Amino acid sequence: NAGVTQTPKFRVLKTGQSMTLLCAQDMNHEYMYWYRQDPGMGLRLIHYSVGEGTTAKGEVPDGYNVSRLKKQNFLLGLESAAPSQTSVYFCASRGTSGRSPTHYEQYFGPGTRLTVT
Amino acid sequence: GNSVTQMEGPVTLSEEAFLTINCTYTATGYPSLFWYVQYPGEGLQLLLKATKADDKGSNKGFEATYRKETTSFHLEKGSVQVSDSAVYFCALTHNRDDKIIFGKGTRLHILP
Repeated sequence: NAGVTQTPKFRVLKTGQSMTLLCAQDMNHEYMYWYRQDPGMGLRLIHYSVGEGTTAKGEVPDGYNVSRLKKQNFLLGLESAAPSQTSVYFCASRGTSGRSPTHYEQYFGPGTRLTVT
Repeated sequence: GNSVTQMEGPVTLSEEAFLTINCTYTATGYPSLFWYVQYPGEGLQLLLKATKADDKGSNKGFEATYRKETTSFHLEKGSVQVSDSAVYFCALTHNRDDKIIFGKGTRLHILP
């Protein structure tokens, strides 16, 4: 049981380049999330998904797109990278709300460190 | 709307000192409350949680009690170790919320 994995771990992009970050989870979770973490800013939600084929905007969605074609995968795309997108990106997943409180816990991946020059 | 406020860091303590990191929240009804920990170079992981008023979450010597009357969930540990150096996040969610609301995090440094 690998939990939540992220690919790649590190990436350097030039301004204007595009890339896709992949998140995969093997816990059969319905909900998946993409966050960015910047110094002094805590975690900010970019986009999230409540199930296969669904996506929704979070707090800072501009400049990013997402897709959830398979339940276990959640992709984050940068169409035209900008220096302001230099950050550490975390993916997380969560089971659906139910009787057990453990269903509300988010499980995080190890992060992707992205630098845009 | 729902929000979480936690004390700003960094917090620097000597090994074996007593730790308190304050967390207060604003939310309607009865949210679930969490503390997450992030060790250097890693993602966040759940440290402890409480799902109803007066519940006490505990793990690895850390404790936090869900206080509805003061809307607080302060993190405590009686004797910290160097290995506790990390960033700690307080968070909340409601039963039917799609999202978890995080505080901004508190960086903790423990000196040997």
